Amino acid sequence: DIVMTQTPLSSPVTLGQPASISCRSSQSLVQSDGNTYLSWLQQRPGQPPRLLIYKISNRFSGVPDRFSGSGAGTDFTLKISRVEAEDVGVYYCMQGTQLPYTFGQGTKLEIK
Amino acid sequence: EVQVVESGGGLVKPGGSLRLSCAASGFIFINTWMSWVRQAPGKGLEWVARIKSKNSGGTTDYATPVKGRFTISRDDSKNTVYLQMNSLKSEDTAVYFCTAENFYSLYYWGQGTPVTVSS
Repeated sequence: DIVMTQTPLSSPVTLGQPASISCRSSQSLVQSDGNTYLSWLQQRPGQPPRLLIYKISNRFSGVPDRFSGSGAGTDFTLKISRVEAEDVGVYYCMQGTQLPYTFGQGTKLEIK
Repeated sequence: EVQVVESGGGLVKPGGSLRLSCAASGFIFINTWMSWVRQAPGKGLEWVARIKSKNSGGTTDYATPVKGRFTISRDDSKNTVYLQMNSLKSEDTAVYFCTAENFYSLYYWGQGTPVTVSS
């Protein structure tokens, strides 16, 4: 199975400041079709997960443009340009390149 | 508006069975691959099973811990996907989320249904 490792596991951020979460996979996420199926999900407290970003850098419908994704191969990053109060929650990276789909451990974003 | 609504969770004894249902609307269900993902109390996310659309072969895939015990199926006439869970173990205790998949990403999620396996 592909192991997804996120850092940090906890991120206290000041409102209005940027935040960044890294995700590393144990092997390349480039699929045979040439695409890289790395996505980012947000789980607010008491809520189900919600897709933010798919295929590394594509924002899902309705996701604010302060969220952006980047990376390639085995190293990926989710950035929030200016953290708002509603961004509090746990963020997961997920690979869909190879079954079983696997998730990172989650990064808890909290406000300082 | 997209809706994904799970049902069927509850308390079951070890070794017992449960069938989860997931009713979807607001997207073209017949062409959509569907997955179940679970989250144990206080833990992260774990993919459980997937069923492709019939026009993609309708094939099913399972995570190793549930292979041989769980069965995913779909009824396109009802826009519903099911998860039949047999021989349940305490480690299957979790909230089970139904998700719609596209581009190997999990696009739409339901609110989840809790399953507790305990004597």
